[in-house]
Amino acid sequence: AQSVTQLDSHVSVSEGTPVLLRCNYSSSYSPSLFWYVQHPNKGLQLLLKYTSAATLVKGINGFEAEFKKSETSFHLTKPSAHMSDAAEYFCVVSHPGSYNNAGNMLTFGGGTRLMVKP
Amino acid sequence: DAGVTQSPTHLIKTRGQQVTLRCSPKSGHDTVSWYQQALGQGPQFIFQYYEEEERQRGNFPDRFSGHQFPNYSSELNVNALLLGDSALYLCASSVLDRAVRGYTFGSGTRLTVV
Repeated sequence: AQSVTQLDSHVSVSEGTPVLLRCNYSSSYSPSLFWYVQHPNKGLQLLLKYTSAATLVKGINGFEAEFKKSETSFHLTKPSAHMSDAAEYFCVVSHPGSYNNAGNMLTFGGGTRLMVKP
Repeated sequence: DAGVTQSPTHLIKTRGQQVTLRCSPKSGHDTVSWYQQALGQGPQFIFQYYEEEERQRGNFPDRFSGHQFPNYSSELNVNALLLGDSALYLCASSVLDRAVRGYTFGSGTRLTVV
């Protein structure tokens, strides 16, 4: 079974300081992992994805995440927060479906709300 | 290139009614998945359609059903609405293959059941 735990429901940082959003996963398969961001009243936007290539993944808007198999973690970081980063962030694990092992399904974590103070 | 389009954006229904939500996938995508996002929670997988058939399903009752059309667009139907069905319903499109190329999500339909 697949599951995702986001260790903090809320994170508050000051503008210009580093961001760390923590995620642990459980997967029966070699996982594909994603981070999505959701701004208020908007859909989900893909920040970055890990699909068994380099363990350090760079995404959009200066975000990156490191896949650590031994720790089953996929934490999201950014060196310097910007006001526009305030949003809900979701860590997601993808796992193959039952249809010919294709048709991946996504399991989402509970989300972390990032607040950025001026 | 248009992304995923969902309609309507907002909807208010009464308990016991039925509702239909619509989704047009991104151009070139052949698979549509539906997710329910309750307030303050992460999205949960409802089901996935490919080649006009439901291919996989999450832990949702039969009151939730869907359809995919030859042009790959999709509908989500919910019968006998309950207050607990109030949520943001997200549609995601993708290409069905083994490589995980990512999903494109629509902005969702906000359903309120009163």
